[in-house]
Amino acid sequence: AQSVSQHNHHVILSEAASLELGCNYSYGGTVNLFWYVQYPGQHLQLLLKYFSGDPLVKGIKGFEAEFIKSKFSFNLRKPSVQWSDTAEYFCAVKGNDMRFGAGTRLTVKP
Amino acid sequence: NAGVMQNPRHLVRRRGQEARLRCSPMKGHSHVYWYRQLPEEGLKFMVYLQKENIIDESGMPKERFSAEFPKEGPSILRIQQVVRGDSAAYFCASSPEGQGSGYTFGSGTRLTVV
Repeated sequence: AQSVSQHNHHVILSEAASLELGCNYSYGGTVNLFWYVQYPGQHLQLLLKYFSGDPLVKGIKGFEAEFIKSKFSFNLRKPSVQWSDTAEYFCAVKGNDMRFGAGTRLTVKP
Repeated sequence: NAGVMQNPRHLVRRRGQEARLRCSPMKGHSHVYWYRQLPEEGLKFMVYLQKENIIDESGMPKERFSAEFPKEGPSILRIQQVVRGDSAAYFCASSPEGQGSGYTFGSGTRLTVV
């Protein structure tokens, strides 16, 4: 089965700082890759996804992610974070079913 | 077009009781997945079901936990003889047929065992 690693457990940034959250996966077959966000007290919402084609994927709220096949990575980026981006972010890989990383808690200080 | 509906939102059970968590997938979705989220931990896959079939239950504890997705009605995650360690948020997600589909998540059921 596939597995996902998110190396940053908790990231604290000031508003307007740039963000990059790491995600590495392991799976032998064709994968679909996702980033989900969970705002406090809410359910998971899809930020962006990669199936094929351009490895640089644009998502909602100014987020983007780059699929680097040789590194088995799918890092999430945002050039300038806002206080409202405070949430937990989950990377997920779908092979036969979807497996999630442990999540990265992002705190943005105003 | 309602999303994934989970109920109840909050469930309190005493140790030894049974907990039943319900999930109605999005209209047109035939795949259901259950995940558990423990405090300070990520989402842990539990089980993947299609109508009347368990496809993958590799994440389910061997005892006390069971899941079903009958031909009619919601998917049910059942926890018998609950213990304090079962306290968690349980999320259900659904997807349509086919590869390359993202999941739509429900709002979760927060189970508290007292």
